[in-house]
Amino acid sequence: KAGVTQTPRYLIKTRGQQVTLSCSPISGHRSVSWYQQTPGQGLQFLFEYFSETQRNKGNFPGRFSGRQFSNSRSEMNVSTLELGDSALYLCASSLTGSEYQPQHFGDGTRLSIL
Amino acid sequence: DQQVKQNSPSLSVQEGRISILNCDYTNSMFDYFLWYKKYPAEGPTFLISISSIKDKNEDGRFTVFLNKSAKHLSLHIVPSQPGDSAVYFCAASGSNFGNEKLTFGTGTRLTIIP
Repeated sequence: KAGVTQTPRYLIKTRGQQVTLSCSPISGHRSVSWYQQTPGQGLQFLFEYFSETQRNKGNFPGRFSGRQFSNSRSEMNVSTLELGDSALYLCASSLTGSEYQPQHFGDGTRLSIL
Repeated sequence: DQQVKQNSPSLSVQEGRISILNCDYTNSMFDYFLWYKKYPAEGPTFLISISSIKDKNEDGRFTVFLNKSAKHLSLHIVPSQPGDSAVYFCAASGSNFGNEKLTFGTGTRLTIIP
């Protein structure tokens, strides 16, 4: 069974640009969550989508946005990139988004801002 | 405010012995707890979880214990194997504020000594 797939694996951008990251969840999974991992802040929750609706959002500025498509695939967008946005961005999916369902993670997109 | 804490940044254990990783939490609304293992350049891999209605869950070599009164959980790995060398994260979520919003600890790097 294929796991969570994130593309691209690596990305280099400059300040002020915008970026779009993609995530394909495990087949049949309808909930997709996004996390940011940095050495200083650890793993932090960005937002979660279920049935094309954002259900939950973390404490990140509005420059961070996302969406989910009818096939459960999700994209994350960051506009007006800042140096501090350099991080590993992880996507996770779970079956129904209900209680006690573990999330399964992709290998992430490493974003570097120059 | 770090709601999930892993106070040991690193741990070294002899191969074949028991590895015990600890995690403390402060938010009494957490009711689902998970452990993930992470290798470099890969996403976190789900290991085992426990809901707050239980105090123990076992899966092969991995056992998670939950002490709700102390707000403490631990992961036991018996026997420890070289392939267990990785960073281990505990995570927590609560049905009251979104099951998919995982709050992670800062991780413990486990090294198994052959």
